Amino acid sequence: KAGVTQTPRYLIKTRGQQVTLSCSPISGHRSVSWYQQTPGQGLQFLFEYFSETQRNKGNFPGRFSGRQFSNSRSEMNVSTLELGDSALYLCASSVLGGPNQPQHFGDGTRLSIL
Amino acid sequence: DQQVKQNSPSLSVQEGRISILNCDYTNSMFDYFLWYKKYPAEGPTFLISISSIKDKNEDGRFTVFLNKSAKHLSLHIVPSQPGDSAVYFCAASGPGSNYKLTFGKGTLLTVNP
Repeated sequence: KAGVTQTPRYLIKTRGQQVTLSCSPISGHRSVSWYQQTPGQGLQFLFEYFSETQRNKGNFPGRFSGRQFSNSRSEMNVSTLELGDSALYLCASSVLGGPNQPQHFGDGTRLSIL
Repeated sequence: DQQVKQNSPSLSVQEGRISILNCDYTNSMFDYFLWYKKYPAEGPTFLISISSIKDKNEDGRFTVFLNKSAKHLSLHIVPSQPGDSAVYFCAASGPGSNYKLTFGKGTLLTVNP
């Protein structure tokens, strides 16, 4: 069974640009969550999508946005990039989200801002 | 406000011995707890979970213990193997956080041959 797939694996951008990251969940999983991992802050929740609707949101500015398509694939967009956005962005999927549901992670997209 | 804390940034044990990783939480609304393992350049891998109605869950070499009154959980790995060397993250969720996962900052486990 294929796992969670994230593309691209690595990205280099400059300040002020925008970026779109992609996530394909495990087949049959309808909940997709996004996390930012940095050395100082650890793993921080960005948002969760279920059935094409944002169901949960973390404490990130509006520059961070996402969407989910009817096949459960999800994209995350960051506009007006800042140096502090350099991080590993992780996507995780689960069958339905909600209580007692382990999430399964992809290998992440490493975003570097110059 | 860090709601899930892993106070030991690193732990070193000998192969064959027990590894004990600890995690504390502050939010009494958390009712589901998970442990993930992460190797460099890979995403976290789900290891084991426990719901608040239990105090112990076992899966092979891995056992998670939950002490609700102390808001503390621990992961025991017996026996430890060199391939267990990785960063271990504790995570929690519950109705108070709309079931989103809140992670600790991780503990680097090194198992020496």
